[in-house]
Amino acid sequence: EVQLVESGGDLVKPGGSLRLSCTASGFAFSNFTVNWVRQAPGKGLEWVSAITGSGAYIDYGDSMKGRATVSRDNARNSLFLHMNSLRVEDTAIYYCVRESRGTVAPFDYWGQGTLVTVSS
Amino acid sequence: SYVLTQPPSVSVAPGKTATITCEGDNIGSKTVHWYQQKPGQAPVLVISYDSRRPSGIPERFSGSNSGNSATLAITRVEAGDEADYYCQVWIVTTDHRVFGGGTKLTVL
Repeated sequence: EVQLVESGGDLVKPGGSLRLSCTASGFAFSNFTVNWVRQAPGKGLEWVSAITGSGAYIDYGDSMKGRATVSRDNARNSLFLHMNSLRVEDTAIYYCVRESRGTVAPFDYWGQGTLVTVSS
Repeated sequence: SYVLTQPPSVSVAPGKTATITCEGDNIGSKTVHWYQQKPGQAPVLVISYDSRRPSGIPERFSGSNSGNSATLAITRVEAGDEADYYCQVWIVTTDHRVFGGGTKLTVL
């Protein structure tokens, strides 16, 4: 069974930093692109970042570009998102999401999310 | 940046057909995926590659895509279909993934 379990969400002050983690199981982690997708309270889904299986290719959405760094450790089946210069508007549930293999593939498995709250 | 526009809400009586649109510039040239999100839960893929149903998704769910609009249709709507629905595309030129704003489906 494919599982994605996020952790690291916390209450942080504006301007602060936070590192989120996602542990995957039930599939060959290194073979898949994984993403971070976030959802602010009562709002829609927003793509944050993607990293390919080897980690060779990384991209970011406009909202966190320059303030987020995504990485992965395939030996530990883990995905990370380091966020800095956090703003109130970064408050959201952050989901770890597997992308199905292939071109323009869908997000086929989602974790349950971890809540990041940015507030003074 | 590429924008996907969905109606904020759609209401339908049980047993009827619900249609949710996703509009974008020449979206018919792109591949559209649809997700269902129930309150307090993570999203679930319900339609991929414009019209494919993943394993476990009822035949009542279907999708189409042409011109400037993609559509998710749910026939014989049930109370359990009440949820938020999101369309999503992958912008090949930038490798960015984009979501529509979401549509809240209410079953009357």
